[in-house]
Amino acid sequence: AQKVTQAQTEISVVEKEDVTLDCVYETRDTTYYLFWYKQPPSGELVFLIRRNSFDEQNEISGRYSWNFQKSTSSFNFTITASQVVDSAVYFCALNRGSTLGRLYFGRGTQLTVWP
Amino acid sequence: DSGVTQTPKHLITATGQRVTLRCSPRSGDLSVYWYQQSLDQGLQFLIQYYNGEERAKGNILERFSAQQFPDLHSELNLSSLELGDSALYFCASSAPRGNEQFFGPGTRLTVL
Repeated sequence: AQKVTQAQTEISVVEKEDVTLDCVYETRDTTYYLFWYKQPPSGELVFLIRRNSFDEQNEISGRYSWNFQKSTSSFNFTITASQVVDSAVYFCALNRGSTLGRLYFGRGTQLTVWP
Repeated sequence: DSGVTQTPKHLITATGQRVTLRCSPRSGDLSVYWYQQSLDQGLQFLIQYYNGEERAKGNILERFSAQQFPDLHSELNLSSLELGDSALYFCASSAPRGNEQFFGPGTRLTVL
């Protein structure tokens, strides 16, 4: 069975602090994909990144970086120098590579960045 | 803007009623997915269509049904509505060889 766990329900930081959102996943598949989505207060779900199970290279995009470690089944997301506009709910998700189908979502982490 | 459109944005109805939610995928995308987001259950996969055919089913109630039309737009029909069906319903689409799913803005359903 597939499962995604985001143990942090809520995180509050002050602007310019770095923050890491944790994601732990479970799957028996050898091929799979991991995702992060952002849901701002307006409600839409915004795609941030996709990672496949064969690529453990860390990725950086501006203030965002992702750390994928198969050994610990984790795919953590770090925001550097956080800003008020980063306030949102962040979801980690898993997709089984063999079916290219549904996403299995974690429960999300509510990030609040205070000015 | 993801390129996925959903209508209506908001829907308020009464218990026992039936509603239809509409989704248009991104140009060129063949797959359409429906998800339900509620406080209790989080984001739950309901159903997937690929080029007009049902591909996968998730936690979709028998009172709910969906279809994808030849022009690839999709509709989610919810009938005999209950208070617990109040939720945000998302549609997503993905390209034929891609598996990033791009989400529409959602339809917020309120059942009174």
